[in-house]
Amino acid sequence: GENVEQHPSTLSVQEGDSAVIKCTYSDSASNYFPWYKQELGKRPQLIIDIRSNVGEKKDQRIAVTLNKTAKHFSLHITETQPEDSAVYFCAATPGLGNEKLTFGTGTRLTIIP
Amino acid sequence: DAMVIQNPRYQVTQFGKPVTLSCSQTLNHNVMYWYQQKSSQAPKLLFHYYDKDFNNEADTPDNFQSRRPNTSFCFLDIRSPGLGDAAMYLCATSLTEETQYFGPGTRLLVL
Repeated sequence: GENVEQHPSTLSVQEGDSAVIKCTYSDSASNYFPWYKQELGKRPQLIIDIRSNVGEKKDQRIAVTLNKTAKHFSLHITETQPEDSAVYFCAATPGLGNEKLTFGTGTRLTIIP
Repeated sequence: DAMVIQNPRYQVTQFGKPVTLSCSQTLNHNVMYWYQQKSSQAPKLLFHYYDKDFNNEADTPDNFQSRRPNTSFCFLDIRSPGLGDAAMYLCATSLTEETQYFGPGTRLLVL
């Protein structure tokens, strides 16, 4: 089955600087990669996703890059703000009728004012 | 205009006393999932329904069961809760291979 590794487990960044979280996956058939943000006591919320036919996707301060050859994808947050503090989870799924997500272990991001 | 609704938001039960958590959705999604999440760990999939087809994860304890009487509703039954079952229980929905949308969760406390 799919295995997703996520690094780092914790990350502290000065407000205004950039944050990068990296994930690797094992199943070359995986073709959908969402990122979820989870604030304390709240639900995971989708912040950005990417499919395997795309190498990069941006949404304002958030971007995701995908390297299918190396089987890794990364979340980039620029101009970080205190409200970016949360736990971030990457995930992967093969799609093609397999609707199960495999989650990474999560990254606790702290933005230092 | 909540799309995935979970009730109750907080549930306190006694050791061994059965409990049922509910989830409803207004998205008309064909797939519904139940996850268990403990203290900042990743959500752990317990089972999911693809339409009416029930799919159990191999490591989901027998203590956990689920029902999906129609497209909109799904229930999680914990037959004999133990202290180790205290967690956040998240319901999610999706259209087959598309994005999963999570409900607000039910926090279960076992005394």
